Amino acid sequence: QTVVTQEPSLTVSPGGTVTLTCASSTGAVTSGHYTNWFQQKPGQAPRSLIYSTSNKHSWTPARFSGSLLGGKAALTLSGVQPEDEAEYYCQLYYDGVLRVFGGGTKLTVL
Amino acid sequence: QVQLQQWGAGLLKPSETLSLTCAVYGGSFSGYYWSWIRQPPGKGLEWIGEVTHTGSTNYNPSLESRVTVSVDTSKRQFSLNLRSVTAADTALYYCARSYTNWGQGTLVTVSS
Repeated sequence: QTVVTQEPSLTVSPGGTVTLTCASSTGAVTSGHYTNWFQQKPGQAPRSLIYSTSNKHSWTPARFSGSLLGGKAALTLSGVQPEDEAEYYCQLYYDGVLRVFGGGTKLTVL
Repeated sequence: QVQLQQWGAGLLKPSETLSLTCAVYGGSFSGYYWSWIRQPPGKGLEWIGEVTHTGSTNYNPSLESRVTVSVDTSKRQFSLNLRSVTAADTALYYCARSYTNWGQGTLVTVSS
């Protein structure tokens, strides 16, 4: 069974920088996993932030960026705002047939 | 502006079939993955499966024996059927277009 692992929780100060990671039980995450990143706030549907590792939507704030880092996918928030407090999920794509979500990272801005 | 509107029964008994439909308003229907995702109360997201406009499907192996995702391009709709439900299938179910545009979610509760 393929498992995608994220940090359960992270805390960052307003204005700070934080990196969330997404690891695969099958080995290094590559561009071929077409990593997606989602933000979910309480009572809301998930919102796509990053697609295919590092691509932003028109609505994605500039402070969010996606990359590959040390065999993992990464989501970096630079200049964190209070409204960035949320749950963040990554999703990996395997062999064109399987998608797996990570368990989510609860980001606290404190 | 793409909008997804979903509907279906919200309360089921064990062994019944969960059926949800998602209608797509605006945008193209071709070239996208039309997918279903669920989220048990207080838990994370779980991928259920997806279908393309041609009817090609991919499913979560843990649900594959009970799930069917289908598409009706003439109606601009796609659907989820999950057979033989149990309490473990209680969740908020979302439809999505290539994981970019999401429906509002439908809470499905399985209880005797």
